[in-house]
Amino acid sequence: GQNIDQPTEMTATEGAIVQINCTYQTSGFNGLFWYQQHAGEAPTFLSYNVLDGLEEKGRFSSFLSRSKGYSYLLLKELQMKDSASYLCAVDFNDYKLSFGAGTTVTVRA
Amino acid sequence: DAGVTQSPTHLIKTRGQHVTLRCSPISGHKSVSWYQQVLGQGPQFIFQYYEKEERGRGNFPDRFSARQFPNYSSELNVNALLLGDSALYLCASSSTGTGVYTFGSGTRLTVV
Repeated sequence: GQNIDQPTEMTATEGAIVQINCTYQTSGFNGLFWYQQHAGEAPTFLSYNVLDGLEEKGRFSSFLSRSKGYSYLLLKELQMKDSASYLCAVDFNDYKLSFGAGTTVTVRA
Repeated sequence: DAGVTQSPTHLIKTRGQHVTLRCSPISGHKSVSWYQQVLGQGPQFIFQYYEKEERGRGNFPDRFSARQFPNYSSELNVNALLLGDSALYLCASSSTGTGVYTFGSGTRLTVV
């Protein structure tokens, strides 16, 4: 299968840093996406990693290691509005995105 | 530019009925994909269309069908609705069917 694994829930304090890990099978890999989804809303694009390394975009960074089948999304300087589900999705070069179940991040004051 | 637009936003149907959901992609995008998202899970792939042809189909029964029109908009049809079809149906567009996908706001379907 194309299991994509990520933790179910994470909780952190406002202003802190949280790292969400994602692992996937490596065969057929074409790219990895991170999406943010607030309750009842559509996923919104955060990042797209194709090559190994760290991509930084403001408070959010995403890392990819293709050989290890591993990615993480780093959220810095957490704000209350960052409370949401974070979806890891992989393009296995088969004209679709395969999603993990999502990680619910709760930011506490 | 308008993003991906879906209609209707909410829908309530009875078991056994049929439903049609609509999606207009971002201008210039030729690919439309449909996903089903059940509460608490990640989206599950249903179909992808590119240039009006089906490129991929997920593990869904034949009650699910779709098509893409010459203007690249798309319809998802579901026949003989079951309670388990209650979900958020998401449409995503991309320029070529790979790369970055942009999602619409979704249609919340409730089957009673």
